[in-house]
Parts: sequence; C-alpha cells; structure tokens
Amino acid sequence: LAKTTQPISMDSYEGQEVNITCSHNNIATNDYITWYQQFPSQGPRFIIQGYKTKVTNEVASLFIPADRKSSTLSLPRVSLSDTAVYYCLVGDPFSGGYNKLIFGAGTRLAVHP
Amino acid sequence: GAVVSQHPSRVICKSGTSVKIECRSLDFQATTMFWYRQFPKKSLMLMATSNEGSKATYEQGVEKDKFLINHASLTLSTLTVTSAHPEDSSFYICSARDEGTAAYNEQFFGPGTRLTVL
Repeated sequence: LAKTTQPISMDSYEGQEVNITCSHNNIATNDYITWYQQFPSQGPRFIIQGYKTKVTNEVASLFIPADRKSSTLSLPRVSLSDTAVYYCLVGDPFSGGYNKLIFGAGTRLAVHP
Repeated sequence: GAVVSQHPSRVICKSGTSVKIECRSLDFQATTMFWYRQFPKKSLMLMATSNEGSKATYEQGVEKDKFLINHASLTLSTLTVTSAHPEDSSFYICSARDEGTAAYNEQFFGPGTRLTVL
C-alpha cells in the first residue's frame, strides 16, 4: 500500500476554502485515492474518492494531477462543523479482495469563528 | 448511506475481565468487516479482518488469543477483549463495506466503543 504524507494540522476560518494536500509518490497504477473525515469520538466517514483529474460531490472536490503523486482535498466555505481530522488513503480496491484501509496520521483541521 | 452500529458505545470493566463488542450492519450484508483501535490523538490502527464463516485475519503484532473475533452471520461481527488490562483501554471501531452500492474504497464505520479498563 502506498504511503501517504499530509500536514499534521491546519487552521482556517469560517467561510474560507480549505485545501489539504496529500503526497503519495509511490502510488501504483491500480490505486485509487480516498479521503475520510473523522470527528472526535466517532468513526470515520467517507468523503470522496478519485483516480485522476477532478472529482466533485456535494461535500468536497478532489484534485489529482496527471502524475497522481499527490492529491488535494478542497473544502469550500468551511464552517465550524468541518473541524475534524481528514485522512488521505491510497490503495487498490481490487487487490486481495478485502479492501483493507490503512490510515496514516491524518490532518487535524481547526476552523475558527 | 449504509449504517453500521456498535454495542456498547461505552464500557468500563475491571482488569482481568473479558469484554465483548458487537458490530452490526443494519441495512446491508457484509461478508467482511474490519476492526480498528484508536488511542487518543492517534490514527486508526487496523487490528483484523473479520470474515463471515471463517477465521479472522489479524494484522502483525495483534494477539489473536487476546482479541477474539467471531463473524457468525452476514450482519454481525463480535470482538472480545479477553483478560483486559488497563493498556487495552482504547476506542474500538468496526467497519464494513456494502458491496452492492459502495464506491471502491468506501467503508461504513460504526460509531465506536470506548473501553476503559480499571
């Protein structure tokens, strides 16, 4: 499984756009990039997933450059409720048949009033 | 989205006792479920993969005799922490994948169980 590197923490203010970049230099051809969000004392929640270029859903956007060695999660107009830990994961969903998720350290985002 | 529940949400026990944690997929069937442990301010650590009808697969360094996993049905997996000690105090989280609807690496996580061993 490709190793990922993210900033340990980030600070933002309500209404701002937040971009969290994840580095995954050893990403393999069949790997997908997935982001999860975790609030304190809760299980993680799937946010978005992509393979290349740009993916957008109602919560966030995911930008993946052509070389796929990094990805950026973009949260538009954050609010206080977006304060959480964000995890970037990289893996091949079709390998091994079990879809194991290996979590890195994550990025602790704090949104301030 | 699919819902995964855990029971209990919080448990306090004495050192040396065993504690069972249940993980249920409420509206889908899951042949595979996963168990994680998370210490305060730390990331999730995968403990084991629970397979319906067969033995669980444990990650390196996880004692299979201490953390007993049973996946007796397509909607229920249990984790039993045997002879619990204070160092086993942690947040235990399970997850499952709804293979009928989920994105490739999308798993649904339970709300977690806070175990405190006195």
